[in-house]
Amino acid sequence: GQQVMQIPQYQHVQEGEDFTTYCNSSTTLSNIQWYKQRPGGHPVFLIQLVKSGEVKKQKRLTFQFGEAKKNSSLHITATQTTDVGTYFCAGSPGYALNFGKGTSLLVTP
Amino acid sequence: KAGVTQTPRYLIKTRGQQVTLSCSPISGHRSVSWYQQTPGQGLQFLFEYFSETQRNKGNFPGRFSGRQFSNSRSEMNVSTLELGDSALYLCASNYGGGTDTQYFGPGTRLTVL
Repeated sequence: GQQVMQIPQYQHVQEGEDFTTYCNSSTTLSNIQWYKQRPGGHPVFLIQLVKSGEVKKQKRLTFQFGEAKKNSSLHITATQTTDVGTYFCAGSPGYALNFGKGTSLLVTP
Repeated sequence: KAGVTQTPRYLIKTRGQQVTLSCSPISGHRSVSWYQQTPGQGLQFLFEYFSETQRNKGNFPGRFSGRQFSNSRSEMNVSTLELGDSALYLCASNYGGGTDTQYFGPGTRLTVL
């Protein structure tokens, strides 16, 4: 079945460094969503991308959807300790969401 | 609006027992999806219910079942529990289901001894 692969699995950065997580699908996606789960919490919706090549920004977070609609990335500029958590992408070929396994980000001050 | 609520928040069961988890969606949401989250496998889709009908199903054994009531509340049942069923079970709701944004509840932490 359709899978959404996410890398890296873990990332440890110093506060102020940048961070990027990548999401890849074996099939074309109708849209891609990103969620953040804080330690001990539940996933919370961040953003949805629909158009080929789309780029959206939320303060220090930049989300991209690939031209072929098979990959996506989330980039955080100048990480802060509040960015700690696991970031999931979720893609859909059209009928259900498939979540990646997530990238766990640890930020040390 | 109140968020998605799940009960109970924590459960401890022994192998062979069965368990029922409950989820109340956000008011007005008609779709409820269930996910199993484990450290090694991430978020795995169990099933989705919309207007009391199961619309999508993930790749889980028949021991995992669910239902949805006319008020959109949903229950998930796991029979003949195995050690590997220990996980955080999350439910999520939205208006139309499918690929719409998922609003997650806090989850039920199930431990099977």
